[in-house]
This record gives sequence, C-alpha cells and structure tokens, in this order.
Amino acid sequence: KAGVTQTPRYLIKTRGQQVTLSCSPISGHRSVSWYQQTPGQGLQFLFEYFSETQRNKGNFPGRFSGRQFSNSRSEMNVSTLELGDSALYLCASRSTSGPTYEQYFGPGTRLTVT
Amino acid sequence: GNSVTQMEGPVTLSEEAFLTINCTYTATGYPSLFWYVQYPGEGLQLLLKATKADDKGSNKGFEATYRKETTSFHLEKGSVQVSDSAVYFCALPLYSGGGADGLTFGKGTHLIIQP
Repeated sequence: KAGVTQTPRYLIKTRGQQVTLSCSPISGHRSVSWYQQTPGQGLQFLFEYFSETQRNKGNFPGRFSGRQFSNSRSEMNVSTLELGDSALYLCASRSTSGPTYEQYFGPGTRLTVT
Repeated sequence: GNSVTQMEGPVTLSEEAFLTINCTYTATGYPSLFWYVQYPGEGLQLLLKATKADDKGSNKGFEATYRKETTSFHLEKGSVQVSDSAVYFCALPLYSGGGADGLTFGKGTHLIIQP
C-alpha cells in the first residue's frame, strides 16, 4: 500500500506571496492532519480534517488554512507569507477504524520564505 | 489538552551502548502513547506504540512501557547501532477520549551513535 505523499517536496517563496501544499493520504485513510516543524518550536499541530470537515485546529493565525476533498486528499494554504513560515510541513493520515491514534507521516514539504 | 516533556539532546553514545530517552506526559485519562523517529531529510516514522497502562511497545530492538504511576513512557534499547542515529519524538493525542485527531510531540532527542 502506498504511503502518504506530499507535493511539492521543496518550495521557495517570497514574503507576501501565498502557497498551497498538497497531501494524498494512505488509501482508505479519511483523517488527515497537518503539522509545522521548525528548529525553534519543534512539531506543532496545525489542523485536522475528516470527511471534508475540519475537526481540530492548532494555535496558528488565520493565514493558515486547509481543506479536504471527497477523495480524502488535502491541501493547506498559507497566505501573506512571512519569514517565520519557513519550515517543514508534514502531513499525516490515520485510519479511523482502529482504536489508536497512530498517524502515518509523509516526507514533508520544505518551505523557504525569502 | 495533553502535553509531553522529553529529554533533549543531543545524546551521544558509542555503538553497543545502552540507550534511555526519558519521556513524561500529562494527560486526562489514559491515551495511547507513541514514539516516532525521524531520519535526516525524511518525515516521521512510527517506531512503537502502547495503547493502555502497563503495555509494552517494541520494535527493532526498542522498547517502551506505559507507566501510569509515573506518567512516563521512556524509550530503551539494549545495544544501539550507528544506524539508530536519528531524532526521536515522544507523542500522544492532543485530547483524550476520542473525537478530533492531532498529536502533541516532545521537543525531540537527537541521538548520535559513534562507531
């Protein structure tokens, strides 16, 4: 079974621009979560989607948004980019049929804002 | 929400040494606990998990026991290899009791194994 895929893997943007990142979950997984990883703050939860609905959101400004499609693929968008948005953005999917919350992560998208 | 505290590195050991990485948590109830590993340039991989108190998770020679008395989930390995060099994260759900997803992570422990 193919793992979680994220595109693009690397991205360079300029301050003030916006960016869209894409995530395809493991087949059959309906829950998709997004995380931001930086050296200073570590891994921080952004939001989680299930059946096209955002169920949970972390403590990030409204410039960070996301959505999920009917095939469970998800996108996240960051508008008006700031230098501090430079990070590794990780997507994770989970099967909702099991009793645990184990999540399976993609390789991430490395975003650099200049 | 739940939270986790993890010893921070870097931790440098010689090959075949014994490894312990400390992790303690604060949570409502008894949520599942996880250890993830991240190799350079990659995403996170689930290393092991424990779903209830006194459970022992194990994988690739690594072990961790869910201790509700001490609210701990320490990672151990009896004999580390150079290939174990990576960053290790302790994690648990943001909220106990099911429903919305999302994990909270420790700061990560950078493990360096020298030959």
